[in-house]
Amino acid sequence: NAGVMQNPRHLVRRRGQEARLRCSPMKGHSHVYWYRQLPEEGLKFMVYLQKENIIDESGMPKERFSAEFPKEGPSILRIQQVVRGDSAAYFCASSAGGWSSYEQYFGPGTRLTVT
Amino acid sequence: KQEVTQIPAALSVPEGENLVLNCSFTDSAIYNLQWFRQDPGKGLTSLLLIQSSQREQTSGRLNASLDKSSGRSTLYIAASQPGDSATYLCAVRPPGANSKLTFGKGITLSVRP
Repeated sequence: NAGVMQNPRHLVRRRGQEARLRCSPMKGHSHVYWYRQLPEEGLKFMVYLQKENIIDESGMPKERFSAEFPKEGPSILRIQQVVRGDSAAYFCASSAGGWSSYEQYFGPGTRLTVT
Repeated sequence: KQEVTQIPAALSVPEGENLVLNCSFTDSAIYNLQWFRQDPGKGLTSLLLIQSSQREQTSGRLNASLDKSSGRSTLYIAASQPGDSATYLCAVRPPGANSKLTFGKGITLSVRP
């Protein structure tokens, strides 16, 4: 019974390149949340998705960032034209539902370094 | 807008001490509060989850309390050990749908042998 999986665990990109981060939720979970942890900061919400739908993207930067959760396959967080300020740990969490009664389970994170 | 504060940002104690980590939040309309542990470069490990109707939760040497009306929670660690060294994050969750977590910045604990 695998937990939430994220890959890659570490990703190095040069400025201007694209970064793709993947999140496979726990079996049976159809709700995914992405959080970002900047250096010396707590985790901050970015986006909440259900299968094929973006429910809340209020925490996403307006430009260069996008997320999807297709019917088949993992959720993808995509960052275009990365800049040094995008260097952070990106965590996803999955749950069986979006209501507060459903606990979120976190993956190990992807650490993005932009050089 | 919910804000979660954890002070101090860092704490160093000798082994064996009992200690209390504090967490405060501005909006008392929460569904639950959760304490996590994060080791350097690692993911989050859930330690304790307290529902808004509960006053405390215990797991081994850990005890978390919640005073929703005053917007405060404490994590009590008994007989601290060097292996407890980590960053401790608290997070609150509002009631209802689309229920995302709001985290504090964490307290980095160092337990000296």
